[in-house]
Amino acid sequence: AQTVTQSQPEMSVQEAETVTLSCTYDTSESDYYLFWYKQPPSRQMILVIRQEAYKQQNATENRFSVNFQKAAKSFSLKISDSQLGDAAMYFCAYNRYNNDMRFGAGTRLTVKP
Amino acid sequence: DAGVTQSPTHLIKTRGQQVTLRCSPKSGHDTVSWYQQALGQGPQFIFQYYEEEERQRGNFPDRFSGHQFPNYSSELNVNALLLGDSALYLCASSATSSPQETQYFGPGTRLLVL
Repeated sequence: AQTVTQSQPEMSVQEAETVTLSCTYDTSESDYYLFWYKQPPSRQMILVIRQEAYKQQNATENRFSVNFQKAAKSFSLKISDSQLGDAAMYFCAYNRYNNDMRFGAGTRLTVKP
Repeated sequence: DAGVTQSPTHLIKTRGQQVTLRCSPKSGHDTVSWYQQALGQGPQFIFQYYEEEERQRGNFPDRFSGHQFPNYSSELNVNALLLGDSALYLCASSATSSPQETQYFGPGTRLLVL
């Protein structure tokens, strides 16, 4: 079964600095999708970035980028120029063929002014 | 373009009662998935509906059931509520035709069982 592991329950970053959140996953498949979702206190799960496993190029969305290491089954999220509004729970997720999405336990990110 | 909407936002029930949660998908989406998120944990998949049928189901008892309507909206029903059913229930919609397989989430319904 596919599992997603986030080993950092909490992370902290200074405003304007860079932080990296870690995620590893386990799958025997070669074709799948990986996602990072942000969940602020308002509870709404917001898509941050997605990566298609067959694409070797790392996805980038403005200040957010990923380091996708397929062989190592690692999918980390880098947030550059951190802003106060980035403070939230961040969930790494795995999906294949739009079936049940598997989530990690989450990392709580605090941004210090 | 309205996103995924859910109702109600909060709900308080007592053990043994039944509850119905509602979800309207994002415009253009035809698939609805439901997740349960316990406090401090990641979401757990309950089931997914497509073409008014349950397409896939997670490890949840039969007390959890659902329905999808012709307009793609969906309901989640939970019977014989237990204290452990207290959680945030998230609905996510997606388009079967989308190659990117991205699920977009609603704001959730917070259920408290007393």
